Amino acid sequence: GAGVSQSPSNKVTEKGKDVELRCDPISGHTALYWYRQSLGQGLEFLIYFQGNSAPDKSGLPSDRFSAERTGGSVSTLTIQRTQQEDSAVYLCASSVGHPLGGYTFGSGTRLTVV
Amino acid sequence: TQLLEQSPQFLSIQEGENLTVYCNSSSVFSSLQWYRQEPGEGPVLLVTVVTGGEVKKLKRLTFQFGDARKDSSLHITAAQPGDTGLYLCAGAGDKIIFGKGTRLHILP
Repeated sequence: GAGVSQSPSNKVTEKGKDVELRCDPISGHTALYWYRQSLGQGLEFLIYFQGNSAPDKSGLPSDRFSAERTGGSVSTLTIQRTQQEDSAVYLCASSVGHPLGGYTFGSGTRLTVV
Repeated sequence: TQLLEQSPQFLSIQEGENLTVYCNSSSVFSSLQWYRQEPGEGPVLLVTVVTGGEVKKLKRLTFQFGDARKDSSLHITAAQPGDTGLYLCAGAGDKIIFGKGTRLHILP
């Protein structure tokens, strides 16, 4: 597609439920990133996929968070047993190889845990 | 740990005024990027600066990368209401780290 597509755009879930967030990057972009943005905070790095290499998971805040990228394209971020502190905007971005030149971001998924 | 400090956090000024926002770090970066984010949208890349001392202009926006590649500034001339938004700087190393942003509001 022309841009990075994320779905759903909004998600309200009950505490304790699992959620899946989807990211469809720009075609041909080998690198894909997930960030989390909380109110008044900057973008918090979560996970990074580059081609067929093992993902950099160093930013995942707990073992309730996981992500996969199938076929080098679409990625799914899964949060198990959601907590209220997981409420945030989850942003996906993609780039051609190294991010030296900057990312293209999707519009994000606003997750609210009630 | 690499950190980027942005200042000011908030800025509200009248249309037509000039302003400068800053992005500072104790770390050296391969490049530094500026993004603008509007409500309900993801950040949009404005510019990337790579060379120490580099200055780039984008219409009324002037971006400067410090000589030591640790800091950057964004200057807006004759601000307009359309400039309202969250301005984020980001430093690139093995991955990109972001500052917390400057929330800019231009009053008509």
